[in-house]
Amino acid sequence: DAKTTQPTSMDCAEGRAANLPCNHSTISGNEYVYWYRQIHSQGPQYIIHGLKNNETNEMASLIITEDRKSSTLILPHATLRDTAVYYCIAPLNNLFFGTGTRLTVIP
Amino acid sequence: EAQVTQNPRYLITVTGKKLTVTCSQNMNHEYMSWYRQDPGLGLRQIYYSMNVEVTDKGDVPEGYKVSRKEKRNFPLILESPSPNQTSLYFCASSPPGQSTYEQYFGPGTRLTVT
Repeated sequence: DAKTTQPTSMDCAEGRAANLPCNHSTISGNEYVYWYRQIHSQGPQYIIHGLKNNETNEMASLIITEDRKSSTLILPHATLRDTAVYYCIAPLNNLFFGTGTRLTVIP
Repeated sequence: EAQVTQNPRYLITVTGKKLTVTCSQNMNHEYMSWYRQDPGLGLRQIYYSMNVEVTDKGDVPEGYKVSRKEKRNFPLILESPSPNQTSLYFCASSPPGQSTYEQYFGPGTRLTVT
């Protein structure tokens, strides 16, 4: 698995876009980037994944740089319910959840 | 409703008393996995199963056993629990034909071993 680096915590105002960065400079050519989130102590929730093209679904957008060394998860209009720990993962053999970024959406 | 269920949700037990945490999914998923979550360590995989009768060790398998006799069930067995197995446990499954990394997680089982 490629090592990923994320900020420990971030704040975002309610209604604004939340941009969560992730560095994965050792990622190999066939490793996807996955994003999950965990609200309080609930089970993690899959958000989105991508290889090299930008991806969008009903939850979020994923922007991957051309060199694939970093990516950004974008929640376009953050709500209080988006307060959670967000995990960026580049798995090769299995999912390894590090400590992620704790996003706090502020009213 | 499509879901992964775990039982029990909360369990307090004593050292050495064998226990089983059940996991069941109703989505016909082939891939299933167990994780533990500890403060500051994130989620770590214990065991996983690619299909019935096929299981393999994850990152932290010591002290745990699993079995996969049916596609829908993947129980986690602690033969002789110890206090260092106090943790929050999650079961997960993944749809067939899709990446095994797109996983659906259960609600968690909080285990305390005294």
